[in-house]
Amino acid sequence: NAGVMQNPRHLVRRRGQEARLRCSPMKGHSHVYWYRQLPEEGLKFMVYLQKENIIDESGMPKERFSAEFPKEGPSILRIQQVVRGDSAAYFCASSPLPGDTEAFFGQGTRLTVV
Amino acid sequence: AQTVTQSQPEMSVQEAETVTLSCTYDTSESDYYLFWYKQPPSRQMILVIRQEAYKQQNATENRFSVNFQKAAKSFSLKISDSQLGDAAMYFCASPGGSQGNLIFGKGTKLSVKP
Repeated sequence: NAGVMQNPRHLVRRRGQEARLRCSPMKGHSHVYWYRQLPEEGLKFMVYLQKENIIDESGMPKERFSAEFPKEGPSILRIQQVVRGDSAAYFCASSPLPGDTEAFFGQGTRLTVV
Repeated sequence: AQTVTQSQPEMSVQEAETVTLSCTYDTSESDYYLFWYKQPPSRQMILVIRQEAYKQQNATENRFSVNFQKAAKSFSLKISDSQLGDAAMYFCASPGGSQGNLIFGKGTKLSVKP
């Protein structure tokens, strides 16, 4: 059973471009969480999705950021018109049930905006 | 607001010795889990140990154990017989709500001296 897969591992974008980060949850998991980790910081919750639904986006910046988890395919975190401050590691975690005892993390995508 | 505080930005331990990492938290949840994650330079978030808040017995996983004081909302991690491979960032996490998202502390960077 493959773990949570995130790609790409590293992504470089110029200011103003769009960044798309992908997360394939573990098999059988229909709950996905996205977190952002700034340098020298812990992870901060961004958004929680179930298949085809956004359940909680309270940690998501109001502008330029969006997330989806379609019926088929991976979850996508999309950042439009990236700025230098978006440079961070973005982690995805999945679980089989909401509020389950453990969420399994992917290896993260390091986004660098130049 | 729900918070997690790790008061030790950096810790150092001699190989084979014991070290304790501190964590305090604040949550409005009544039944919850607490977690310690290890993040080596590879960036992978690795679950070290978890504690069920309704259990009085402290969790133990091989060389890792916790000292859970529910009334004080304290959740420290003890690493016994420290090994070079234990060197990493350690993050404490508590529930951010009922949906399963987590709140992380800022982390403690652990160095192990040979």
